[in-house]
Amino acid sequence: EAQVTQNPRYLITVTGKKLTVTCSQNMNHEYMSWYRQDPGLGLRQIYYSMNVEVTDKGDVPEGYKVSRKEKRNFPLILESPSPNQTSLYFCASSRTGGSGNTIYFGEGSWLTVV
Amino acid sequence: QKEVEQDPGPLSVPEGAIVSLNCTYSNSAFQYFMWYRQYSRKGPELLMYTYSSGNKEDGRFTAQVDKSSKYISLFIRDSQPSDSATYLCAILTGTASKLTFGTGTRLQVTL
Repeated sequence: EAQVTQNPRYLITVTGKKLTVTCSQNMNHEYMSWYRQDPGLGLRQIYYSMNVEVTDKGDVPEGYKVSRKEKRNFPLILESPSPNQTSLYFCASSRTGGSGNTIYFGEGSWLTVV
Repeated sequence: QKEVEQDPGPLSVPEGAIVSLNCTYSNSAFQYFMWYRQYSRKGPELLMYTYSSGNKEDGRFTAQVDKSSKYISLFIRDSQPSDSATYLCAILTGTASKLTFGTGTRLQVTL
């Protein structure tokens, strides 16, 4: 079954405590990305990766880091989380960039920073 | 001005009604138009996509694009309670699979 798996699904953490949200896909997709979803703002892209070792900023990259050492994994790192990073995060993957390729989303990770 | 505008709703309709969901966009370079459905506490799932002006039909769902007006619509016929969800329009630029989303319209179909 095609899957994008994120962990943890729910997390409450404190300001400044580094955390990593993992993302893994089993479809051998080249393209992966991270989005955050906030009320009234919709889904906004944080970072994306076209392939292993190739990453680039999306619309809202401040406060986040990513790495793509393996094709299947694309972790999102919050080095020093702040309350404004409280959000619902989605990882997504697709076969390539561009049209017509179905983009698969994970189930989401609810993050609260206090 | 946001690149993609979508009325957040909520929109409440009785079962069997025809639902019309709409988005407008500002960038004429946008090429591909998608509708995603998102159930509560779940990730978005692709419903339909199209790249040209006109209509595309899939079962009870019809996606409509008017590039001259920069207006896209999703019609749901014979709506069912299982259609209750948030519907997100999304527009894809040609590079990097970057999706620009509307804020989503929450739909409630009542018995």
